[in-house]
Amino acid sequence: QVQLQESGPGLVKPSQTLSLTCTVSGGSISSGHYYWSWLRQPAGKGLEWIGRIYTSGSTNYNPSLKSRVTISVDTSKNQFSLKMNSVTAADTAVYYCARDYKMDVWGKGTTVTVSS
Amino acid sequence: QSVLTQPPSASGTPGQRLTISCSGRSSNIGSNTVNWYQQLPGTAPKLLIYRNYQRPSGVPDRFSGSKSGTSASLAISGLQSEDDADYYCAAWDDRLNGWVFGGGTKLTVL
Repeated sequence: QVQLQESGPGLVKPSQTLSLTCTVSGGSISSGHYYWSWLRQPAGKGLEWIGRIYTSGSTNYNPSLKSRVTISVDTSKNQFSLKMNSVTAADTAVYYCARDYKMDVWGKGTTVTVSS
Repeated sequence: QSVLTQPPSASGTPGQRLTISCSGRSSNIGSNTVNWYQQLPGTAPKLLIYRNYQRPSGVPDRFSGSKSGTSASLAISGLQSEDDADYYCAAWDDRLNGWVFGGGTKLTVL
């Protein structure tokens, strides 16, 4: 049974780059025809899709975040990653990774706070 | 402001049947299937309904989904206290080329 786990710094300074990794366990990230997504949820607010990647490297991004976001995949490590640059307090949120198409598998989420 | 429109709140009593609506446009719900997620406090969202009405294994048949045109609905019958949660609809948007979500509906079981 596939499981996802987010990891990365919980505190990022304004204007710096947020970097998170999602590790896939219980199965190969390359098996099946799945995209792998990043989403986020500010405290008390709704879900926002950030973007996704296919194991070939093909990506789609939320147009509102596209200029600041890069999603990459490392199939040898069974991981995919998120980088978001020029962060502000508005980027403070719980960040989730999920197996796309149905988003049927989610990580538990990791809280990222943007503060000096 | 969310691309898909859901009522911010809903409430019901145990045993009642309740529906949550999700309104979109031709580029999202009108062209693609709808998924529904349940989020209990402090936890990650859980897939409840996919492809408009399909239930993943383990989801009780008290939960059902439907879609008509550019709107979708989630119905919960025989409401239970453990259904007290936030519910989100989502669909792929062909114009934005990405997933869009509703703002979420907070369901309170009285």
